[in-house]
Amino acid sequence: QKEVEQDPGPLSVPEGAIVSLNCTYSNSAFQYFMWYRQYSRKGPELLMYTYSSGNKEDGRFTAQVDKSSKYISLFIRDSQPSDSATYLCAVSSGGSYIPTFGRGTSLIVHP
Amino acid sequence: GAVVSQHPSWVICKSGTSVKIECRSLDFQATTMFWYRQFPKQSLMLMATSNEGSKATYEQGVEKDKFLINHASLTLSTLTVTSAHPEDSSFYICSARTGSGDGYTFGSGTRLTVV
Repeated sequence: QKEVEQDPGPLSVPEGAIVSLNCTYSNSAFQYFMWYRQYSRKGPELLMYTYSSGNKEDGRFTAQVDKSSKYISLFIRDSQPSDSATYLCAVSSGGSYIPTFGRGTSLIVHP
Repeated sequence: GAVVSQHPSWVICKSGTSVKIECRSLDFQATTMFWYRQFPKQSLMLMATSNEGSKATYEQGVEKDKFLINHASLTLSTLTVTSAHPEDSSFYICSARTGSGDGYTFGSGTRLTVV
């Protein structure tokens, strides 16, 4: 079993839709949870960073962590074509900050 | 915010030649940098951890003699792919941690094509 599982998609939605992206992980020791956005042929950029369980909101983006079920989510409200990218989840433990990445979900927001 | 500058952004080389990729932290000091490899539609795979002034730590299965890493200063780390072969063609990305547990800043990546 991989440490982080993420559906690669692609996920295609119309502009304005609410997008839900998800990952599951296997190691309960993970304490830090991150979402990165990666445009084609570019390096990933950090979108959201959360510690432990709960929700975190930043503009149109909401990150949610449920440690009891080892499930993390990223919600995008009022999605825009410019949101079209690959979204990677990442997890890391408190003792080591090197993140383990999911394979990424390709999101396409069409006008 | 913190910026990691990586170049070249793309390179084509012939089999058997060597290619050097540079990563610079522009407005912060990076005692540690990380080198990743990413195949199409695949996750980032950590290749090695580069420590300023000491030898790099390689992940299992990564040939240290093929992927030479040098981290001679607090702002510069280089990855040299030696005797490149077509199977080395990939997207290589560096990153550095910019704060205590608050995520990583990535370079823009280098697409290497070996012909």
